Amino acid sequence: AQTVTQSQPEMSVQEAETVTLSCTYDTSESDYYLFWYKQPPSRQMILVIRQEAYKQQNATENRFSVNFQKAAKSFSLKISDSQLGDAAMYFCAYRSASGDTNAGKSTFGDGTTLTVKP
Amino acid sequence: GAVVSQHPSWVICKSGTSVKIECRSLDFQATTMFWYRQFPKQSLMLMATSNEGSKATYEQGVEKDKFLINHASLTLSTLTVTSAHPEDSSFYICSARVYKVMNTEAFFGQGTRLTVV
Repeated sequence: AQTVTQSQPEMSVQEAETVTLSCTYDTSESDYYLFWYKQPPSRQMILVIRQEAYKQQNATENRFSVNFQKAAKSFSLKISDSQLGDAAMYFCAYRSASGDTNAGKSTFGDGTTLTVKP
Repeated sequence: GAVVSQHPSWVICKSGTSVKIECRSLDFQATTMFWYRQFPKQSLMLMATSNEGSKATYEQGVEKDKFLINHASLTLSTLTVTSAHPEDSSFYICSARVYKVMNTEAFFGQGTRLTVV
């Protein structure tokens, strides 16, 4: 079974600064997807960024980028120019790319609560 | 992006009664829907995987007679909490994936906060 570990229960960053959230995972599969989700106080899960394991290039979405190290099974999220609206709980998630019936089940880390200080 | 609507957003019910939560994909067909439970400041715990037209697959430790899941169409899955008790109070979230498209992310509903009194 796959596991996802987020070792930082809480992080804080000064507005306009950069912060990196850590995520490691364990799997025996070679093909999979990794995601970062944001859950603000409204509790709506919002996709921040996704990475396909077969792609070597790190995904980037505006101020959000990842450092994907497949051999090390590491998938960290970097938030640049942090904004007050970035304050939320962030979840790292793993999903197998296999095509069996239950494909698409996501395994989530325990989350990191990010505080942005003005 | 694709929209998943979950209803109701919150519900309060008396102990011993049953509550139904709906999860609808509004602008796409979802072959698979997932039901999660989340306690405050904790991660999402997968309860079951719901496939259209077939029985749901429950995760270990989840009582299938307690949490009834029906996925009657490609746009609707329901979770019924039967004979609810205060310990069932939680935040329930559904997600849905696009029919036959393997490499897309799942889209989440806004969640349902259930309080059993």
